[in-house]
Parts: sequence; structure tokens; C-alpha cells
Amino acid sequence: QVQLVQSGAEVKKPGASVKVSCKASGYTFTAYYIHWVRQAPGQGLEWMGRINPNNGDTDYAQKFQGRVTMTRDTSISTAYMELTRLISDDTAVFYCARGPSGYSDSWGQGTLVTVSS
Amino acid sequence: EVVMTQSPATLSVSPGERATLSCRASQSVGSNLAWYQQKPGQAPRLLIYGASIRATGIPARFSGSGSGTEFTLTISGLQSEDFAVYYCQQYNNWPRTFGQGTKVEIK
Repeated sequence: QVQLVQSGAEVKKPGASVKVSCKASGYTFTAYYIHWVRQAPGQGLEWMGRINPNNGDTDYAQKFQGRVTMTRDTSISTAYMELTRLISDDTAVFYCARGPSGYSDSWGQGTLVTVSS
Repeated sequence: EVVMTQSPATLSVSPGERATLSCRASQSVGSNLAWYQQKPGQAPRLLIYGASIRATGIPARFSGSGSGTEFTLTISGLQSEDFAVYYCQQYNNWPRTFGQGTKVEIK
């Protein structure tokens, strides 16, 4: 079955960077986009961007342009999301999700990133 | 960006009753609309895509309708496991955007 397993929780200081991984299994990794979605505590869902694992092409929400980088390693079916210059408002659960196009049909378990001095 | 507005923010429904959730887009998104269910501490789960197509394994009591700017998610015969937060998402325009969510709670 399709599974997306994300890396564990992180605590970072303001100004630092965080890199979250998302390991896919149960399907052909290069056949589906990987999307990244942020959810602040008690808040809604916010789409950050997506990567095409087949060729590495990315699309980022303008809000995150310049701070986010999405990459992938096809040899281990893993996608990564790195967010730099962290601020307290970046404290959130970050999800990776598989998507045939713009929607997401399977989600990772989420990674809590806490930004605190 | 396309703003997705969901109503109501909270919907109180008795088990067995019908719940009707609305989602409005600030501009047309065609049928490129998905619905997700999220329970506390869990990742979202895809319910509907293409405005009206149930995702794999989703019970028939969940149905979606609409196109353009007005969309509806209907849950017929609410069961205990259906009490959750529901989000709509458009994927017609960049960036992809979500509504703020509707919480369906037990009346």
C-alpha cells in the first residue's frame, strides 16, 4: 500500500533552517508529484509547493519563494523540504502528500517543527 | 490567489442526520476542487476530487457537487467517525489554496 513516512519532530532556533524528509513506498515514486503543506497549531492547511520527482521541477507558493527548497533522491524514493530563516510563525506541522496533479491522495504522518529561542 | 471561503465555520449535527458544507471560490476553478477530512492529531484524508468523484475507499454517504465558484460536500447519515474538520482545496490556479475549514461537531 502507498505509504509516506516523514522524519521526526525538530526544534530549531529562529534564523535556523530545517530539512524534512518524506520516504515513499508502495508505488512508483517518479509517477506522482509530492506536495508539501503546512499547518500551524490550531490553524488550517497551507499549500507550500510541489516537486515532480521524475525531473525535479518545482512550483512554490510565492509566500515561501526564496525560503523553501524542495528536492528529491529517486534512488531512495525520498523527497525533502528545506525551509530557511525560520521564525516563530513557522512553528507548524509539515505534511508531504502524494498527488496525481493538484490534489493529494495520500499523506505522510506529519512532522512537527517548533521554532523557539 | 484564489480565496476559498467555507461555511459555516462550525456545523452541529446529530448522528444520522445530513450535513451540508459549502465552499466558495473567489474566481472560477472549474471542477478542480477537492475535499479533505481531518481528525485531531491526524493527517488529512482525501474524500472527493474533481468536485464530485469519491476517492478510493470513501463511503457513498459522502458526495460532492458544484462547479465554477460554488461547491457543496454532503454527508448523508452522519456516523460517529465523521465528526471532524473538512477542508476544500482548489487546484485550478497557482498557488493551490485551501478553505479555512468547517468543523462538524456532535449536536
